[in-house]
Amino acid sequence: GEDVEQSLFLSVREGDSSVINCTYTDSSSTYLYWYKQEPGAGLQLLTYIFSNMDMKQDQRLTVLLNKKDKHLSLRIADTQTGDSAIYFCADGMDTGRRALTFGSGTRLQVQP
Amino acid sequence: EAGVAQSPRYKIIEKRQSVAFWCNPISGHATLYWYQQILGQGPKLLIQFQNNGVVDDSQLPKDRFSAERLKGVDSTLKIQPAKLEDSAVYLCASSPGLVGEQFFGPGTRLTVL
Repeated sequence: GEDVEQSLFLSVREGDSSVINCTYTDSSSTYLYWYKQEPGAGLQLLTYIFSNMDMKQDQRLTVLLNKKDKHLSLRIADTQTGDSAIYFCADGMDTGRRALTFGSGTRLQVQP
Repeated sequence: EAGVAQSPRYKIIEKRQSVAFWCNPISGHATLYWYQQILGQGPKLLIQFQNNGVVDDSQLPKDRFSAERLKGVDSTLKIQPAKLEDSAVYLCASSPGLVGEQFFGPGTRLTVL
């Protein structure tokens, strides 16, 4: 079946850039998402990218997609302590025939 | 715009007891999802509704879990009887249609003792 994998933990210093990586297996995925989850809260959509795009930038966030290698990354520029959270990568399809498949999440710790 | 509402926020029960969770999606959203998130893992889909019909329940343990979405609005998820391994956060999400952004509620944290 479909699988999405992420590294478990990333620690950066405030002001540095963070790069969170994700790999997926389903080549028919149409959309790839990044969600943020803060303690005790639900998931918040940060950004998404269509599978026919290589890059998407949204303020401090940059998403890079290598469709050939099925590799997705999220770069957060000028990381702040408020960015500390768990980040989930997820893939989905445009037909809605299956719901999102989530990775296990990457915990980002930002040190002052 | 009000977000996805869930209740209760926390529930502690003993194994073999029954429990029910409630979700009220964003007004007008046709699609509703229930996910199970075990500690340290990503959310896993349990069931997906389109209006009041089931689109996907392939990962729902039907011997103990049931869900309904009467009138295509609110939904309830029930576990009967609960097992220790059901301890998790149960997330409800909704979206305007079958594709597009899913909006998540805060979740219900279930602890089974």
